[in-house]
Amino acid sequence: SAVISQKPSRDICQRGTSLTIQCQVDSQVTMMFWYRQQPGQSLTLIATANQGSEATYESGFVIDKFPISRPNLTFSTLTVSNMSPEDSSIYLCSVDLQGLTQYFGPGTRLLVL
Amino acid sequence: ELKVEQNPLFLSMQEGKNYTIYCNYSTTSDRLYWYRQDPGKSLESLFVLLSNGAVKQEGRLMASLDTKARLSTLHITAAVHDLSATYFCAVDIWNTGTASKLTFGTGTRLQVTL
Repeated sequence: SAVISQKPSRDICQRGTSLTIQCQVDSQVTMMFWYRQQPGQSLTLIATANQGSEATYESGFVIDKFPISRPNLTFSTLTVSNMSPEDSSIYLCSVDLQGLTQYFGPGTRLLVL
Repeated sequence: ELKVEQNPLFLSMQEGKNYTIYCNYSTTSDRLYWYRQDPGKSLESLFVLLSNGAVKQEGRLMASLDTKARLSTLHITAAVHDLSATYFCAVDIWNTGTASKLTFGTGTRLQVTL
């Protein structure tokens, strides 16, 4: 398994501001994923981040709104830009270990006022 | 577009009873996952099902996969209160050389009552 940490664990932000979420893994992984879980909803994949290449975004998500960095094999950041109350969600990163399963971080709970 | 549906969405059951959660998906997939999420927590991996007819069991939970019917089930035997959580299935379309990504079902909120 993998040990995944995220920072911050939660935050309350004002609309129009941006927040960068960090995801750290205790082992080197090729693929890292960012998901959003809106209140009471299921999880939706935002993008896939591979080290050394541009992130791949899913339909409905764009780089200007959710820029992602992947500077090395153990770390990634997701920025939620120009936030609105609709961005209030839990943001989770996950990693795919050996192509067997995906492990999820503890999540970042974001509330936008 | 891959669609993953779970039913029921909410399940209230008494301790000691048995029940099954169903996960239907709309396209061919190589693998299916079951996760558990407790309130305010992240996701815990329960099972990974990799082939048609796969069956896995852990404690009071048993998961199976029928790729021909595009159906997975999560069976709960003699439920206990500690099983109260939301359960998600997720389908993975794995293509060699491309990113593996999960499409999640709607989730089933399970409440086990005394």
